[in-house]
Amino acid sequence: EAGVTQFPSHSVIEKGQTVTLRCDPISGHDNLYWYRRVMGKEIKFLLHFVKESKQDESGMPNNRFLAERTGGTYSTLKVQPAELEDSGVYFCASSPFGAKNIQYFGAGTRLSVL
Amino acid sequence: GEDVEQSLFLSVREGDSSVINCTYTDSSSTYLYWYKQEPGAGLQLLTYIFSNMDMKQDQRLTVLLNKKDKHLSLRIADTQTGDSAIYFCAETPLSSNTGKLIFGQGTTLQVKP
Repeated sequence: EAGVTQFPSHSVIEKGQTVTLRCDPISGHDNLYWYRRVMGKEIKFLLHFVKESKQDESGMPNNRFLAERTGGTYSTLKVQPAELEDSGVYFCASSPFGAKNIQYFGAGTRLSVL
Repeated sequence: GEDVEQSLFLSVREGDSSVINCTYTDSSSTYLYWYKQEPGAGLQLLTYIFSNMDMKQDQRLTVLLNKKDKHLSLRIADTQTGDSAIYFCAETPLSSNTGKLIFGQGTTLQVKP
């Protein structure tokens, strides 16, 4: 069974550009989470989907970030326009219905905004 | 509030025991976790403990929870060079019905041969 996959593994963009990160959760997992680790600090929660619905987006930094999960399968996280402080590693995690506490993480996307 | 603190770095010799410590502020935490991140890899769930337990052992790993002091520790017996990684402590607060994780900054474990 494939794990959580994220694409790309690394993205380098200039300030003001747009970047879209993709996450493919484990097949059949209803819960999908996005987290971010900035500059060696703690990993912070961004938002949570159950299937295609956003359950909690309290961690989204501002309206430059847009997350979608059309069809309840893969998810995208778009940053537009990107700022320097958006640099960091973006992690995606998924868990099955009824077992939210066991989250499986992807390898992350390292975003560098220059 | 929800806050998780860890020391940033620990260095041990191969074969010794490692103890990584974590403190948290949310007394309503339901689950507490230890994740491991090896270079270039994602976060791997090592073990977790429910808040009504005080100890959990799994092979070389022992988790101790002191709920009164809000202190969690991870002991790795007979530490090997392959244990070198960043270890993250995390909790799930009771206030969250989404299962979101609150992480510490991570402890980098360096194992010297």
